Amino acid sequence: NAGVTQTPKFRILKIGQSMTLQCTQDMNHNYMYWYRQDPGMGLKLIYYSVGAGITDKGEVPNGYNVSRSTTEDFPLRLELAAPSQTSVYFCASSSQGTTNYGYTFGSGTRLTVV
Amino acid sequence: KNEVEQSPQNLTAQEGEFITINCSYSVGISALHWLQQHPGGGIVSLFMLSSGKKKHGRLIATINIQEKHSSLHITASHPRDSAVYICAVRSSPWGGGGADGLTFGKGTHLIIQP
Repeated sequence: NAGVTQTPKFRILKIGQSMTLQCTQDMNHNYMYWYRQDPGMGLKLIYYSVGAGITDKGEVPNGYNVSRSTTEDFPLRLELAAPSQTSVYFCASSSQGTTNYGYTFGSGTRLTVV
Repeated sequence: KNEVEQSPQNLTAQEGEFITINCSYSVGISALHWLQQHPGGGIVSLFMLSSGKKKHGRLIATINIQEKHSSLHITASHPRDSAVYICAVRSSPWGGGGADGLTFGKGTHLIIQP
């Protein structure tokens, strides 16, 4: 009954450091997404995946990479952290279907790059 | 690219008042979501609509496909309803590129005073 689990919840990085944001879901959802939320702005799509082994860029992919080796896991990698990547990151998943699907969000990761 | 506008941006009301939050979008959609984000940051899905009206407890969501408009209503509002309410749309059932996720409004910050 865990849903979508994100770790860590908070992280401070120095410019140029790298890190991986972890995301795991236990609902057997095919679709998984990474979004970032900046103050006063709507969430923006970074990357998404429609199934294991398949990923594609969203609206704001620069500076990030993803992989999807299993249905459950969809980690987001920051290689060279920059202050512009200071944001709150949300992982989400949804079941494949027609229009009758719902989204489940993780609790978010608040990242600060200094 | 779909543009999603929410109004009002901020709303403060007294406990018990009837609340209406509006969402308009620019391009035809396959589904519209209403989400709730509490001060702790977690995002919860409230409704998914493709037509008509849905009700859950004191929350009612409606959508008018022809007018590209949706409303979220809260009856007998309570301080625990204080949160950011986010409208998000999916432009096509499958889409491609950045379209295979949701386009989000900036949210409506609701405060219910006792």
